[in-house]
Amino acid sequence: EVQLVESGGGLVQPGRSLRLSCAASGFTFDDYAMHWVRQAPGKGLEWVSGISWNSGSIGYADSVKGRFTISRDNAKNSLYLQMNSLRAEDTALYYCAKDLVATHWRAFDIWGQGTMVTVSS
Amino acid sequence: DIQMTQSPSSLSASVGDRVTITCQASQDISNYLNWYQQKPGKAPKLLIYDASNLETGVPSRFSGSGSGTDFTFTISSLQPEDIATYYCQQYDNLPLFGGGTKVEIK
Repeated sequence: EVQLVESGGGLVQPGRSLRLSCAASGFTFDDYAMHWVRQAPGKGLEWVSGISWNSGSIGYADSVKGRFTISRDNAKNSLYLQMNSLRAEDTALYYCAKDLVATHWRAFDIWGQGTMVTVSS
Repeated sequence: DIQMTQSPSSLSASVGDRVTITCQASQDISNYLNWYQQKPGKAPKLLIYDASNLETGVPSRFSGSGSGTDFTFTISSLQPEDIATYYCQQYDNLPLFGGGTKVEIK
C-alpha cells in the first residue's frame, strides 16, 4: 500500500524550532519529487516547499524562505522539514505529498494525513 | 509572481446538476494546472492533472479544460459524495493553489 506518514508536529513557542518527518512506503521513494503543503485552520492549501528526487532542485514559498529547510534521505525513504524561527502564522496542518515526477514540480498524487503544528506562547 | 483567481468561492447545487468552477491565472501557464478535491477532515485528492487528464480511478463525471490563463473544472452530474472543497493548482513556476470552492448540496 502506498503510504505517507507525517510526524513531529506539536505545540511550540514563537521563535523556536521544530522538525517534521514523513515516512514513505509502497513506492520507489527516490523516483519522485516530494513536497510539504500546509493548511491553516479553516483556510485553504498553501504549498510550502518541494525537493526533487536527488535534492538537486529545491523550492520554497516566500512565506517560509530563509526559515524552513527541506531535505530527504532516500536510503531511509524519508522527507524532512526543519522549521526555524516559527511564527504564529505558521500554525497549520502540514501535509507531506508525493509528486508525479522526479525532477520538477507537477502534481501531488499521494498525500499523508498531516501533522499539526501550533505556534503559541 | 503568478496569481490564481478561483471562482466562485462557494456554490450550492442540486443532485444531478452540472457544476462549473473556474480558475484564472495572471499570466500564461500553458496547461500546467491541476484540480484537487478535499473532503472535510481529509487530505486532498488529485482529480485532474495537466488541465484535462483524469487521474486513475476518478469518476468520469469530473472533467477539466482550458489552457493559457483560463481553466474550467466541471462535475457533469453532482452526486452527494461530491460535497467537498475543490482547489486548482498551477505549476508553471513554484506550485500555487487557488483559494478553493466549497460545493454544497441545495
